[in-house]
Amino acid sequence: ETGVTQTPRHLVMGMTNKKSLKCEQHLGHNAMYWYKQSAKKPLELMFVYNFKEQTENNSVPSRFSPECPNSSHLFLHLHTLQPEDSALYLCASSQEVHKNNEQFFGPGTRLTVL
Amino acid sequence: DAKTTQPTSMDCAEGRAANLPCNHSTISGNEYVYWYRQIHSQGPQYIIHGLKNNETNEMASLIITEDRKSSTLILPHATLRDTAVYYCIVRVATGAGGTSYGKLTFGQGTILTVHP
Repeated sequence: ETGVTQTPRHLVMGMTNKKSLKCEQHLGHNAMYWYKQSAKKPLELMFVYNFKEQTENNSVPSRFSPECPNSSHLFLHLHTLQPEDSALYLCASSQEVHKNNEQFFGPGTRLTVL
Repeated sequence: DAKTTQPTSMDCAEGRAANLPCNHSTISGNEYVYWYRQIHSQGPQYIIHGLKNNETNEMASLIITEDRKSSTLILPHATLRDTAVYYCIVRVATGAGGTSYGKLTFGQGTILTVHP
């Protein structure tokens, strides 16, 4: 139990669908992250939020839209995705970005785009 | 952040020590060495980190060479549940303005298989 939960755990969607991934952390952290892990590729950082403000967008296509309404919740809104977007999407949290604290990861959402 | 080099895969017998090497020959003086692992179908899990002194916690020991160009993660008594991908990451500790502190840059890691 890492204190970071993600829902849904599995998602299958068509290219014209709109869906959202949810992440919640129960650790009192102020920084939250989205990572993407494609098959046979290293984890790639997508977005970073620190105290609800986005501090990094790692050249992610606009069909991925993050939202951080408060320090405990992070969403990733998906629309008009492509089959190559199929991957494991991981959320993480840490105390705050600028203190280099360890990151705690959720179990991930396995996304399949048909 | 400095690049790391790890073996693609390693085997270890259950109950024996697993020694996972990592080369980071371009590491800077203000960069820490971090280790994470990822068990199949789960998110990565923090294991340990260090700057220049050897470190030990309840999960593992980290041995960093004096020149800091390489390190070894030691799992003293490996179990079947330690089968995972192990990532060695170097990460800036403090930096000048504009440095992205929080970024963890994952490589391919080492696939450790612990067998009975």
